[in-house]
Amino acid sequence: VQMTQSPSYLAASPGESVSISCKASKSISNNLAWYQEKPGKANKLLIHSGSTLQSGTPSRFSGSGSGTDFTLTIRSLESEDFAVYYCQQYNEYPPLTFGSGTKLEIK
Amino acid sequence: EVQLVESGGGLVQPGRSMKLSCAASGFTFNNYDMAWVCQAPKKGLEWVATISYDGSSTYYRDSVKGRFTISRDNAKSTLYLQMDSLRSEDTATYYCARHRRMYTTDWFAYWGQGTLVTVSS
Repeated sequence: VQMTQSPSYLAASPGESVSISCKASKSISNNLAWYQEKPGKANKLLIHSGSTLQSGTPSRFSGSGSGTDFTLTIRSLESEDFAVYYCQQYNEYPPLTFGSGTKLEIK
Repeated sequence: EVQLVESGGGLVQPGRSMKLSCAASGFTFNNYDMAWVCQAPKKGLEWVATISYDGSSTYYRDSVKGRFTISRDNAKSTLYLQMDSLRSEDTATYYCARHRRMYTTDWFAYWGQGTLVTVSS
């Protein structure tokens, strides 16, 4: 299953809201996770099962979608949210597949 | 606190071998399926392999099948990746990751910070 993530780059200001799209090449039900990557830190699982927040994920993060179209939304951006985000499908394997990533930078 | 600490990376010549290790702590290692995920320089994440909690099942991406071997020592709470016949395109940071629990090859609940493997002459 190929995962197409967009945009690849996003610039926003603290306090704004942003959305990241992830599209699967075939239906993956709700078998999708979102991760955050920051320099010098271990990758962090944010959301699994399409919309279930992992314990410890702030409530300003939300995930939606099922089938082929998914969205990660971050409301009221905080400085710590500027990072790279990846989606990952686990409906079919091998292989488990990731999106190409979205770099969220401060405007 | 869950900790995954990779080691064993470095510079290796094409065609040679290298073995990565991942020391796990903070959880009952033999209750979880484990995986390796890699990231080439300035590229995205790519799943490499997964091993079941007891080592009885393994899964690989096509590009490493027959060259890489994932294994584990539950007594030592350590995950391994034996990489043979290395190619320049294997150059990447390799991350150890824990799946949700046993019998679940799905999302990666925890990640290590990675070890860099550079394949070059």
